[in-house]
Amino acid sequence: SQKIEQNSEALNIQEGKTATLTCNYTNYSPAYLQWYRQDPGRGPVFLLLIRENEKEKRKERLKVTFDTTLKQSLFHITASQPADSATYLCALALSNDYKLSFGAGTTVTVRA
Amino acid sequence: GAGVSQSPSNKVTEKGKDVELRCDPISGHTALYWYRQSLGQGLEFLIYFQGNSAPDKSGLPSDRFSAERTGGSVSTLTIQRTQQEDSAVYLCASSTEYEQYFGPGTRLTVT
Repeated sequence: SQKIEQNSEALNIQEGKTATLTCNYTNYSPAYLQWYRQDPGRGPVFLLLIRENEKEKRKERLKVTFDTTLKQSLFHITASQPADSATYLCALALSNDYKLSFGAGTTVTVRA
Repeated sequence: GAGVSQSPSNKVTEKGKDVELRCDPISGHTALYWYRQSLGQGLEFLIYFQGNSAPDKSGLPSDRFSAERTGGSVSTLTIQRTQQEDSAVYLCASSTEYEQYFGPGTRLTVT
């Protein structure tokens, strides 16, 4: 069966450090992968999209990599800030359809 | 501009009752999605509307769940004969392409 796994443990880091989140998948051949941020009591907010033929994408302090051989995406938050504390969700699309399958998310807490 | 709105924000219902959840997508967005999120879990896909095409209902967990989208805009998710396991946050999203814009969700509690 198809499966998406994110860091099972919550991530606690010191302000200024880099947070690295992992998204692994099995039995998928995604056309693209997205990362969303979700704050408590709110809907997810889109952050980045990376396509299957792209290795890396950057947006401000965020960086995403996509390795279709390893079936893995890494999400990095550099120079982290307490305002980055949230749950981060990985989502895959199987084709150029817009329907997404989501991972369970990783909760990041940045300590001042 | 206005984002995706959902109503009600909270709904408490008794087991066995029917409920309707409403989603107002962003104007002009052709795609609309419903997801369910249980406590501490990721988003579970329920149904997807794209323009005038037949909806993708492959995520609906049982025939007690149905949804419609009127005039390519507002959508209603209906759950008949609610069960306690239906308790969750129901999220709606809309999009024009890949980036999905989510509403705040409806928290459904079945007692």
